[in-house]
Amino acid sequence: EIVLTQSPATLSLSPGERATLSCRASQSIGTYLAWYQQKPGQAPRLLIYDASNRATGIPARFSGIGSATDFTLTINSPVPEDSAVYYCQQRAKWPLTFGGGTKVEIK
Amino acid sequence: DVQLEESGGGLVQPGGSLKLSCAVSGFTFSDYAMSWVRQAPGKGLEWVSTTSAPGDATYYADSVKGRFTISRDNSKNTLYLQMNSLRAEDTALYYCAKVFRSTLLTPWDSWGQGTLVSVSS
Repeated sequence: EIVLTQSPATLSLSPGERATLSCRASQSIGTYLAWYQQKPGQAPRLLIYDASNRATGIPARFSGIGSATDFTLTINSPVPEDSAVYYCQQRAKWPLTFGGGTKVEIK
Repeated sequence: DVQLEESGGGLVQPGGSLKLSCAVSGFTFSDYAMSWVRQAPGKGLEWVSTTSAPGDATYYADSVKGRFTISRDNSKNTLYLQMNSLRAEDTALYYCAKVFRSTLLTPWDSWGQGTLVSVSS
């Protein structure tokens, strides 16, 4: 099973301060990585697929980069509504796996 | 608008069974792979199972293999998850999710609001 390790566990930032989230895979997954945002009481929302492609309707301040084992989600000039838990997920191999999540607080 | 609505959750004793349903609308159900993803209270996301668009291929997490069965009825636009031999660790909010592109099995761009399964004596 491919293990995805996200860091940091929690990130506290001020509005406008860039957020950098990391996801590291236990083995190479190419670019088969997605990022999701989940707010309290809501279902997850797809942000990025295949490491760097924004999903439909996702603001340009969200960007992803990476390949093989190291991936980064960046939120440029975050706003308070970006406060959420962010998960990475790989589709390179079964079973599909998620990272443990990074909680982002913008205030 | 794409809509997914789960139902069938509830309180069940360990060793019991439940069948979840996910009724969908707003897209051609038979064109898309579908999945179940769960989230234990206060915990992260865990993939449970996926079925291909025609339903001829299914995949399971090791934690549920042999106990859960995913299926779909493309004539009724409904996804199912039959859960047997339930354990306390199966307690979670169960989401059904639609893949974002018909040629893929994941990731998922549309999710229901979830149905809660509680396994307790």
